[in-house]
Amino acid sequence: DAGITQSPRHKVTETGTPVTLRCHQTENHRYMYWYRQDPGHGLRLIHYSYGVKDTDKGEVSDGYSVSRSKTEDFLLTLESATSSQTSVYFCAISDSNRVERETQYFGPGTRLLVL
Amino acid sequence: KQEVTQIPAALSVPEGENLVLNCSFTDSAIYNLQWFRQDPGKGLTSLLLIQSSQREQTSGRLNASLDKSSGRSTLYIAASQPGDSATYLCAVRDWGAGKSTFGDGTTLTVKP
Repeated sequence: DAGITQSPRHKVTETGTPVTLRCHQTENHRYMYWYRQDPGHGLRLIHYSYGVKDTDKGEVSDGYSVSRSKTEDFLLTLESATSSQTSVYFCAISDSNRVERETQYFGPGTRLLVL
Repeated sequence: KQEVTQIPAALSVPEGENLVLNCSFTDSAIYNLQWFRQDPGKGLTSLLLIQSSQREQTSGRLNASLDKSSGRSTLYIAASQPGDSATYLCAVRDWGAGKSTFGDGTTLTVKP
């Protein structure tokens, strides 16, 4: 298994509170991704990074920000959590300089409940 | 906008049966297609990656095919086992976009 950890694994928070999720990799892969998974919506990309300090938005980026100050860490911040952000969040990394061969590897996920 | 569909949403088969899972996509301009397995409460595990120039890939009892022109991929599982029970997702890596589009998955149950 690819060396990807996510923390925390479970979190309960209140509406309006800022929340930061961490993804840590030991594979030295260039690309890192944050997804959310919800029933009826599948997996949706929030933000992704193609290098240190290089990030871009995905399809559901509103209300989220990211930072990547080191190759191994990719942080996802919910600036002011809302109930609609209750979800399972997955981090992924990919391993190839040639996009045709890009295989994504996923972390174990973080279950976030916003009350 | 790319759309990925997996039908059926759920499938139940007796142990030992060979089965096929389907994945269809609307835009054939893709770099690759990847099949994943997801167990309840877990992350996604990569099973097979098919590059756009390839027609199929095999790993053990799994065989995945890709027909870009028709926008279809299949995942063939031979001699199914109860341990194969999981949700199987496909994802296409789109041209000109830094992202993949995922299907909603097929939940497979293999009964002993």
